[in-house]
Amino acid sequence: GAVVSQHPSRVICKSGTSVKIECRSLDFQATTMFWYRQFPKKSLMLMATSNEGSKATYEQGVEKDKFLINHASLTLSTLTVTSAHPEDSSFYICSARTGFSYEQYFGPGTRLTVT
Amino acid sequence: DQQVKQNSPSLSVQEGRISILNCDYTNSMFDYFLWYKKYPAEGPTFLISISSIKDKNEDGRFTVFLNKSAKHLSLHIVPSQPGDSAVYFCAASKKSSGDKLTFGTGTRLAVRP
Repeated sequence: GAVVSQHPSRVICKSGTSVKIECRSLDFQATTMFWYRQFPKKSLMLMATSNEGSKATYEQGVEKDKFLINHASLTLSTLTVTSAHPEDSSFYICSARTGFSYEQYFGPGTRLTVT
Repeated sequence: DQQVKQNSPSLSVQEGRISILNCDYTNSMFDYFLWYKKYPAEGPTFLISISSIKDKNEDGRFTVFLNKSAKHLSLHIVPSQPGDSAVYFCAASKKSSGDKLTFGTGTRLAVRP
C-alpha cells in the first residue's frame, strides 16, 4: 500500500516553455500533497503544500506564479513549471499523506532539464 | 537555518555489523521524527518513525532512538546488508506546522560485502 506515482520520470524542455508534472496516490486518498525540489547532493527542499480543493501554501522564496500547483482530487496533484529557465533544472519529488498519520509517501521523482 | 542536521555526510560499514546514523535537531517543538532511505534518482522510502513521547521504536533490523533532552535521534541498522547502501534522511515534524517535514542533509551509507 501507500504507492505514489509521478509522471513523467524525465522531461527535457526548451527555455521559455511550460512543463506539467503529475503526482498520483494510487491506493489511498491523499488529503495533503507536498512538492519538493532536490539539488545535487542536497537535502529535499519543500516548495509547497497542497490540500485537495484549496490553494497551495508556498514556502518562503518559492514563486507561486512560476510553480503552479493544482490539487484537483484526493488522488492527483499537478505541478506546472511555467516559462522554464535552465536554473529550474532539478529533481522534483512529490509526496502524499492521509489525514491519519505523519508519514509522507514519496513518488519516484521527476528529473527536469531545461535547455 | 538548518533545523535538522546530519553531521556525517557518509558512513562505511562492514556487512553484518551495526550501522548507526545520527541526527540532531534544534527546534524543541518537533514532536515526530522519521527516517527515510533514498536511492539515486528515486523518491525517498519511509523506513521508521518515532513520536516524541517515546524513546525507542523497533522494526525488524531498524531501531530508532530518541533523546529529547539532547535533541538527538539515531537510526541503528543491524545487521547491515549491502542492500542497505543508500542515502538516509532524518526528518522532523510538528503539529503546528501542518505536519510539514523538515529534512536533514542526509548521510550516505555504504555497506561493504
